[in-house]
This record gives sequence, C-alpha cells and structure tokens, in this order.
Amino acid sequence: AQSVTQLGSHVSVSEGALVLLRCNYSSSVPPYLFWYVQYPNQGLQLLLKYTSAATLVKGINGFEAEFKKSETSFHLTKPSAHMSDAAEYFCAVSRTGGGNKLTFGTGTQLKVEL
Amino acid sequence: EPEVTQTPSHQVTQMGQEVILRCVPISNHLYFYWYRQILGQKVEFLVSFYNNEISEKSEIFDDQFSVERPDGSNFTLKIRSTKLEDSAMYFCASSASRGSTEAFFGQGTRLTVV
Repeated sequence: AQSVTQLGSHVSVSEGALVLLRCNYSSSVPPYLFWYVQYPNQGLQLLLKYTSAATLVKGINGFEAEFKKSETSFHLTKPSAHMSDAAEYFCAVSRTGGGNKLTFGTGTQLKVEL
Repeated sequence: EPEVTQTPSHQVTQMGQEVILRCVPISNHLYFYWYRQILGQKVEFLVSFYNNEISEKSEIFDDQFSVERPDGSNFTLKIRSTKLEDSAMYFCASSASRGSTEAFFGQGTRLTVV
C-alpha cells in the first residue's frame, strides 16, 4: 500500500518569504509523486511531478520539489511567496503513471499574509 | 488547452434519489477516474476505468455506485440511492495512457444530499 503524510494542515507565511510544505511518502515500490494545488471553488491543478528522472523537479508558478529517497520525502518549496499562492496543496503518490490511482495526503492550506 | 469538463457544477438531491454526475474527459485519453472530497477531508479515489471496464475500485465504491462510458465521449458516475454521507465534491480525471504520468482533473461537481 502507498500513502503520503503532509505535516501541517495550515501553513502561514509572509509575502516574499520562503514557502515550505512537507510531504513524506510510504511505498513498497518506487513511487511517482505529485503536488496538486486547489484554489477556492476550483479543481485540482498539477504543480509538478516526480517520475524517477531528476530528483529536483521544477513546476509551475515558481514551485519546486526535491525527491529524497533516504528521507522518503518530497517537500514543496518556493523561494518567495506571493499572495496568489494562497490555496490548498495536496501531495499524492501513485505506483506508476497512467492507469493507476493517486493516493492523496490530507492537504495543507497555505495562507500568505502581507 | 484541452480540459476535463464536469456537469453540473452543483447538484442538490433528496436522500434516496438517484443522481448521475457527468464528465467529458480529454478526447484522446484512455484512463478515467472518479475521486471524491468530503468537505474538509482529503481527496479519495473511487474508481478507475479503462477499455470499457472498471480496472480498480476502492472500498467506498460499493453497489450503490456505478460508472459508464455510454457514448465514447461522456463518462458518468451514478449513485443509485443517495445518502447524506454522499455529500461531497466529486472530481473526474483522465490520463492519456499507461505511460502517462499526469491525470487531468475537472472542476468538480458539488453534490449536496438533503
């Protein structure tokens, strides 16, 4: 079975500050890992994905994440937060791509303050 | 840009009634999924569908639920006799192939059972 754990259901940062959202995974096979963002009253949008190529993955809107096998982590970062980054962020894992279900974490609500 | 579309965006139904949630996946995609998100909780996998049959389903997807691809473009989720606890946001998603690593999500249908 696969699972992800997101530490911190709510994270608050100041505009311009570093964003760090934590995700740890558990998987008996090499995982594919994803970060999705959900803006209020909208669907899920893919931010970035790790598919066993480069361990540092760059996504949209200036976000990036690093796959660390030794720490079973896939934390999401952004050097400088913007007000428009306020949203809910979900980490997800799958066994392989295409045709396999995503298992989501509980989500982290990011608040960006002036 | 191609997108997954879901209708309706919001549906209110009485307990015990049947509902059908509709989705139009991206046209060349082959794998289809339904997920749900109960308010304040994480996104949960319900079912995946490939080659006109269910390829995987969760324990949530009991006999009250069914899926269908009636006409080659639509993908529907039917709940036979709705319960209060079926109230949730239901997301449809699709992916291109077994080798694809990205699932594209629709905007969701908010189902309220009263």
